[in-house]
This record gives sequence, structure tokens and C-alpha cells, in this order.
Amino acid sequence: DVKVTQSSRYLVKRTGEKVFLECVQDMDHENMFWYRQDPGLGLRLIYFSYDVKMKEKGDIPEGYSVSREKKERFSLILESASTNQTSMYLCASSLRYGPQITQYFGPGTRLTVL
Amino acid sequence: DAKTTQPPSMDCAEGRAANLPCNHSTISGNEYVYWYRQIHSQGPQYIIHGLKNNETNEMASLIITEDRKSSTLILPHATLRDTAVYYCIVRLGWGYQKVTFGTGTKLQVIP
Repeated sequence: DVKVTQSSRYLVKRTGEKVFLECVQDMDHENMFWYRQDPGLGLRLIYFSYDVKMKEKGDIPEGYSVSREKKERFSLILESASTNQTSMYLCASSLRYGPQITQYFGPGTRLTVL
Repeated sequence: DAKTTQPPSMDCAEGRAANLPCNHSTISGNEYVYWYRQIHSQGPQYIIHGLKNNETNEMASLIITEDRKSSTLILPHATLRDTAVYYCIVRLGWGYQKVTFGTGTKLQVIP
């Protein structure tokens, strides 16, 4: 079974703090993704990575950065947390090549910024 | 990606089959139908996907109409743990493709 794990299920931070969210997958997947999910707005892509040290902006990258130093690990960084970054953050991974690419999601991190 | 339409909510009695419909009339020939579900406060869980043939796995069956404009996800014996929001999405299967969820169907399994 594909397993995608995230470092925390719940996190509370203060405005201005630097926040690290970590995601690890154990299926040797090339692609990794960070999404945020908000009521009424659905799932929105923040960043994705298709290889080690490679990253591409998604639809809403402002205020975020990412790091992928190892294939299995993809980190999302909030440089200076703000209250509008309170959200559910979801990591996903998938193979890069093939006719039927399926993304597998982690359990999510519910971040509250006070 | 093709747009999908799902009913906002459905109820199903425990032990009965849950049939969740999805319309995707603008699907193109190389787009797959994927189903995910999301139990409250958890990450989305992949269920099943298909191109044009019906598919079955240990979780569910997927029936795709011959014209591919609609599909039905079938949970053969619904349990209380199947209460969740079910998302039908249509997307290319190749390479990088982000997942975009619509509003989905909230399935409530009733004891």
C-alpha cells in the first residue's frame, strides 16, 4: 500500500512565525504535491515537484516555498505565517510516467495561525 | 479537465449498495474517470479509476456508460465507515496533472 505521511495532524502557530510542514512517501514516487483545502474553495495546488531539487509553482504559491532534498521527502515552508494561511494542508505523491497516474494523499495537517 | 456534476448528498441504508452517479458529458477520449473519497478531517482516499471499461477492486465498482458521458460508483455493502464526501474527477492520466475536486456527494450511511 502507498503510504504518505505528514509530520503533524494539528498545528497552531502565531502570526509571523516560520512554519515547516513535512511530507514523506514510501513508494519511490517521482511527483509530490502540496495542496490546501478550504471550505467552499475546494482543493488548490500550492507547489509540486517532479524530481529531487525540482519544483514548480501551482495556482497559489504566494507566501509559500518548498524544498525537496530527497526523493521521499517534500517540505512546505510558510516563511512568515499569516492568519489567511489557516487551512488544511494536504500532501500527495504519484508516479511521474505511465498512462494512469494516480495521486495518493496524506492524512492532512490542520494549521491554525493566530 | 472535463467538468463533473454530482448530487450534493445521498443517504444509504447500512448493508445496502450505494450507487453514486456522476455526469461528465464533456469528457475527452483520453481522460480517465477517477473517484476519491474524503472522510471528515482526513486526507482524500483514492478509490478507483477507469477509462471506458467497467472496473472493480476491493473497495468498489465503477460503471462507465458506453458513451462515457456518465459513470456510477458502487459500494456493494455500505457500512457506517463509508460515510464521507465522494469526489468524481475526470483528468488525463499522463504525467503531471493536478487533482481538482468539485463539491462532491456527501454520502450518509444510515444504521
